[in-house]
Amino acid sequence: AQRVTQPEKLLSVFKGAPVELKCNYSYSGSPELFWYVQYSRQRLQLLLRHISRESIKGFTADLNKGETSFHLKKPFAQEEDSAMYYCALSGAAGGTSYGKLTFGQGTILTVHP
Amino acid sequence: EAGVVQSPRYKIIEKKQPVAFWCNPISGHNTLYWYRQNLGQGPELLIRYENEEAVDDSQLPKDRFSAERLKGVDSTLKIQPAELGDSAVYLCASSRIAGLTTYEQYFGPGTRLTVT
Repeated sequence: AQRVTQPEKLLSVFKGAPVELKCNYSYSGSPELFWYVQYSRQRLQLLLRHISRESIKGFTADLNKGETSFHLKKPFAQEEDSAMYYCALSGAAGGTSYGKLTFGQGTILTVHP
Repeated sequence: EAGVVQSPRYKIIEKKQPVAFWCNPISGHNTLYWYRQNLGQGPELLIRYENEEAVDDSQLPKDRFSAERLKGVDSTLKIQPAELGDSAVYLCASSRIAGLTTYEQYFGPGTRLTVT
């Protein structure tokens, strides 16, 4: 079974401070990992996926297969980063769970001025 | 481009009543998903369609939930009869799948269901 765990429901930082949102997963095989974000009164939207290896809005996330983690990081948080962040997992291409997203419970990030 | 459209946005019903949600995916997206999001939780997949075929409905409570995607475009999710525990936000999402590549899932605004 695939599972995603986000240990922190709430995370508060001050503007300019580094931020790390933790995500751990359980999956037998090679998964695809994603971070989704939901800003206040907006739709859930993709922030980044590990296969793209991009930095979006200053955020990066590295897949650590040894620790089964996909933590989201940003060196200098901004007030506009305040949102709900969900880590999600999909099975590898060709598998039965490919394209099926399993979400964590989410972390509410608040960036104070 | 127009995003995923869902209606209604809010629905309040009494338990044991039926309810239906409608979703119109992004044009050209062949894959459609219905998720349920309980308060304080992440979305959970209920059913996934590729064109008009339900390829994964293992999480759909089939005793009271049903879904259809006629002509492989719009989709309707129905609950009959509704129970108090069905109160949640129901999200629709769509994406393209080409070969072994699944592209980004785009989510609709959701329908917030309250069962009293």
